[in-house]
Amino acid sequence: DIQMTQSPSSLSASVGDRVTITCRTSQSISSYLNWYQQKPGKAPKLLIYAASSFQSGVPSRFSGSGSGTDFTLTISSLQPEDFATYYCQQSYNTPLTFGGGTKVEIK
Amino acid sequence: QLQLVESGGGVVQPGRSLRLSCAASGFTFSSYGMHWIRQAPGKGLEWVALISYDGSNKYYADSVKGRFTISRDNSNNTLFLQVNSLRAEDTALYYCAKDSHLIVAAKNFDYWGQGTLITVSS
Repeated sequence: DIQMTQSPSSLSASVGDRVTITCRTSQSISSYLNWYQQKPGKAPKLLIYAASSFQSGVPSRFSGSGSGTDFTLTISSLQPEDFATYYCQQSYNTPLTFGGGTKVEIK
Repeated sequence: QLQLVESGGGVVQPGRSLRLSCAASGFTFSSYGMHWIRQAPGKGLEWVALISYDGSNKYYADSVKGRFTISRDNSNNTLFLQVNSLRAEDTALYYCAKDSHLIVAAKNFDYWGQGTLITVSS
């Protein structure tokens, strides 16, 4: 199984800050990496697929990069509605696996 | 408007069974792979199973293989998860999710239901 290591597990940031979350996989997955946002009590929402492609309706302040084993989700200017937990997920092969999540909290 | 509505969860004793359902609407259900994903209380996401658009291919997480069975009824736009031999560690909110790609699964999830909760407790 492909192991996903997400860091940090939590972070505190202020509105307007640039935030970077990283995801590392235990083997190369090319660009088969997706990012989700989950707010409390809600289902996750797909933000980025194929490492860097925007899901429809996702604000342009979100961006994804990387390939192989190292990936990054960046929020260029954190907005109040961005405080949530973010997960990476590999779609390279089954079993599909998620990172442990990064909780973005208000400083 | 695309909707996924799960049902069938509940409180169940260890070793017992349940059948979860996910009613789909607002898209051509028979053209997309479908997934079950679960989230234990206060924990992260765990993919459970995938079924291909036509039901011919099924894939499972190791943690549920042999105990859970995914199926679908394309004539009634419904996804199922039969969960047998339940254990305390199966306690979770179970989401159904649509695969993002037509026919050939991309193995990511662009629409999710709100989930149905299974609590396994004696």
